This record gives sequence, C-alpha cells and structure tokens, in this order.
Amino acid sequence: DGGITQSPKYLFRKEGQNVTLSCEQNLNHDAMYWYRQDPGQGLRLIYYSQIVNDFQKGDIAEGYSVSREKKESFPLTVTSAQKNPTAFYLCASRGQARYYGYTFGSGTRLTVV
Amino acid sequence: DAKTTQPPSMDCAEGRAANLPCNHSTISGNEYVYWYRQIHSQGPQYIIHGLKNNETNEMASLIITEDRKSSTLILPHATLRDTAVYYCIVRVAEYGNKLVFGAGTILRVKS
Repeated sequence: DGGITQSPKYLFRKEGQNVTLSCEQNLNHDAMYWYRQDPGQGLRLIYYSQIVNDFQKGDIAEGYSVSREKKESFPLTVTSAQKNPTAFYLCASRGQARYYGYTFGSGTRLTVV
Repeated sequence: DAKTTQPPSMDCAEGRAANLPCNHSTISGNEYVYWYRQIHSQGPQYIIHGLKNNETNEMASLIITEDRKSSTLILPHATLRDTAVYYCIVRVAEYGNKLVFGAGTILRVKS
C-alpha cells in the first residue's frame, strides 16, 4: 500500500544535540511538508519542498533544517538552536492536481530530556 | 492566521448524525475547503474536500453554502470511533499551497 512512513515514532534528545526525523513516501508525490504540533494546538508549517533539491521555509523554520535529495525522502533535522523542540512532528505529501489534499504520516513525538 | 472558524467542541449521541459547522468568510473563489480529523497522537486523516458543490463519500458529506462563506461536515451515523478533533481548512496559494490548520472542533461521540 502507498503511504508515508515516519520514523521513529518516539524520540528522546538531550539538550544540545541535533536529531534527524525520517519521512519517506512511496506515493510519487512531488510536494512534501513538515509540520509541528504542540498540545491542544493546530499544526504549524516548518519547511516544505515542491520538487527535488528545492525547499522553502515555512512559518517556524528557525532551529530546523531539511534536505530533499530524493523525491521519496524529506528528512527534518532539529538542531540545538531550536529552543523548545519538544513537540509532535508530522510529515505530509501532496499530489500535483490542484485540488489534492495532503497525506500525512503517523508522526514522531520528540522529547528533550 | 487560520482562515476558518470552528466551535471548540461538540457532543453527539452514538448513531445520530454529527453536523460540524465551519465559517470561512474570506475564502477566495478558487480555494477548496478540506476536512481532516485527528485522533490523539496520530497523523490527520483526510475526510473530504469541496469547491462549491455539495460532496459525499463513504465517510461523510460536505455541504457548502451558495456564497461559500461557510460549510458543514456531516457524519451520518456517528460511532464512538469518530471521537476526534476535526479540522476545516482552506488551502493557501502561497507557501507551496500549505494547509492552514486552526484549533479544530473536538467531537465527542457518547453512547
């Protein structure tokens, strides 16, 4: 079955460490997105990529970095510069047709210890 | 900066229809309305989308007013598994067509 796979499901990070969250899709979608969700709140856009080797900052990109070397993969690195990284991170992708919505992964919960 | 307004919570009896309203008074003529739901600690699940006509699929129906300023998601026979946060979203043309998620409506289906 086609879909988006995020790993790991739970991740613990010590303060000062960088961590990378994986996002892989086999839907042949061009566009991919990273969102952050804090408790009781909606989703906020971190980064997005509309095509391989290109990506753009979203609303809250500070302290995060991404790469898009392959169409299927869009990893997110949470750097030590991100002051409050504990959150639920969601990856999504979208097909090309104008009306297409998103397909989401199951999320990664990151906790700083 | 979400472009939609939803009630924070609603209750519905199991087996009855759940009608979730959404206001999107600033929607542009070519923007679609999407509905997603999210069960705790999972990724949002697509439900339905529409432009100006009413839509129905195996999960739900979407009723959009003629002026497109509001819409209603209808779950015809709610079950306990429909308890979730429901998001009404319009797509924003900039930022790579991002979807702007507000706080959504918490729907509690009760037996």
